[in-house]
Amino acid sequence: QQQVRQSPQSLTVWEGETAILNCSYEDSTFNYFPWYQQFPGEGPALLISISSVSDKKEDGRFTIFFNKREKKLSLHITDSQPGDSATYFCAASDYGNEKITFGAGTKLTIKP
Amino acid sequence: EAGVTQSPRYAVLQEGQAVSFWCDPISGHDTLYWYQQPRDQGPQLLVYFRDEAVIDNSQLPSDRFSAVRPKGTNSTLKIQSAKQGDTATYLCASSLGTARAPLFGEGTRLSVL
Repeated sequence: QQQVRQSPQSLTVWEGETAILNCSYEDSTFNYFPWYQQFPGEGPALLISISSVSDKKEDGRFTIFFNKREKKLSLHITDSQPGDSATYFCAASDYGNEKITFGAGTKLTIKP
Repeated sequence: EAGVTQSPRYAVLQEGQAVSFWCDPISGHDTLYWYQQPRDQGPQLLVYFRDEAVIDNSQLPSDRFSAVRPKGTNSTLKIQSAKQGDTATYLCASSLGTARAPLFGEGTRLSVL
C-alpha cells in the first residue's frame, strides 16, 4: 500500500515558468512533510518542509501549499531554472515517529 | 560540518556474493537510517537505529540482510548472499531526534549481475 503518492511522474516546464508538483497521503496521523531534491548520482537533499499546523511554507522560489482536509500538498517552484531539473520526493511522518515514508518522486525537467 | 559519509560508492557483485556497506553519520546525530532506492523509485526504509538500538527493522529481509550500529555512531549494512533484485542504491541518513527530517549521504550504488 503506497501511503504517499506523487503526481505527475514526470513534468517538463520552460525556464521562468512555475512548476507544480503534487503529493497526497492516506495516513491521517502524518503531520510533518519534508520535500527532498535529488540529482542523478547523489543522495536526496532536504529542500523545504512543513508541519500540519501550517497551510503554507515559503523559502525563496519554493513554496509548499498544504490542505489538511483533503490530505494533499503541492510544491510550487516559481521562476524555474535549468538547475532545478531533478527528481523531487514528497515524504511524510507522524509526531513522535522518526520513520519517514517517501513517495515515488516527480522527475522535473526545465527547458531553457 | 561534515555530512553523512558512505563507502564504497559503487559495488558490482555476482549473485550469491556478500557485500558490506559502511556509514558514518553526522557527528552527534542519534538516529541513523538505511534506505534502499531502486532505480527510478523513492527511497524505501530498511532499518533505523536510535543510538545503538534497532527501532524498526520490519522491512529488512532478515534472511540475507543485517545491520549493526554497535557504538551508536558508525553503522554497517551487510547483504549475505546477493540477488539480482538487490540491485539498487543504498542510502544512509542521520538525524538528531528533534530535527524530524534526516540528512542523506551520497549512497552506494550496487549492481548484482
